[in-house]
Amino acid sequence: RKEVEQDPGPFNVPEGATVAFNCTYSNSASQSFFWYRQDCRKEPKLLMSVYSSGNEDGRFTAQLNRASQYISLLIRDSKLSDSATYLCVVRDTNAGKSTFGDGTTLTVKP
Amino acid sequence: SAVISQKPSRDICQRGTSLTIQCQVDSQVTMMFWYRQQPGQSLTLIATANQGSEATYESGFVIDKFPISRPNLTFSTLTVSNMSPEDSSIYLCSVYLRTTYTFGSGTRLTVV
Repeated sequence: RKEVEQDPGPFNVPEGATVAFNCTYSNSASQSFFWYRQDCRKEPKLLMSVYSSGNEDGRFTAQLNRASQYISLLIRDSKLSDSATYLCVVRDTNAGKSTFGDGTTLTVKP
Repeated sequence: SAVISQKPSRDICQRGTSLTIQCQVDSQVTMMFWYRQQPGQSLTLIATANQGSEATYESGFVIDKFPISRPNLTFSTLTVSNMSPEDSSIYLCSVYLRTTYTFGSGTRLTVV
């Protein structure tokens, strides 16, 4: 079993749709969580950190469930420009180690 | 977040040759990370480059194949040695600074 597992996707949704991705992790010592976005042929870039109480940034909402060891990303009112691969990142601060998920590909269509 | 300059952005190399990739960071960082990303796949950590000590390699990667230099806190190089077509991939450097991973723009390597 992988340390970090994401919905395999791909997700193909129409503009305006709401889409949610999940990511589960196996290391209970993980302390920091992030969602990164990677556009085709580009490097990954931070989308948002995930806080224990959940956090929102515009159309994007991230949540953390420590008991079940998963994080989620909700995108509301999808735009064509949201098309990308979304990577879940889990960090064990004490070990100084981060693990990247395999990514979930989202395509938003007109 | 940090700003990373990575070069070359792409190269086409003959098998059996070597390519050195450079990353320059605008901030001093203790560790720099080198990743490989095959098309359509996620990031695979090759090694962690520490200033003043040997790099730490992940399982499946060895120093003879991927020698790393880290002469100071803002610069690192990764060499892909004795290349074969299987080494064709995107190579990325990264730093973790102020709770954010920042990546170089990547080097797209094709070995023919």
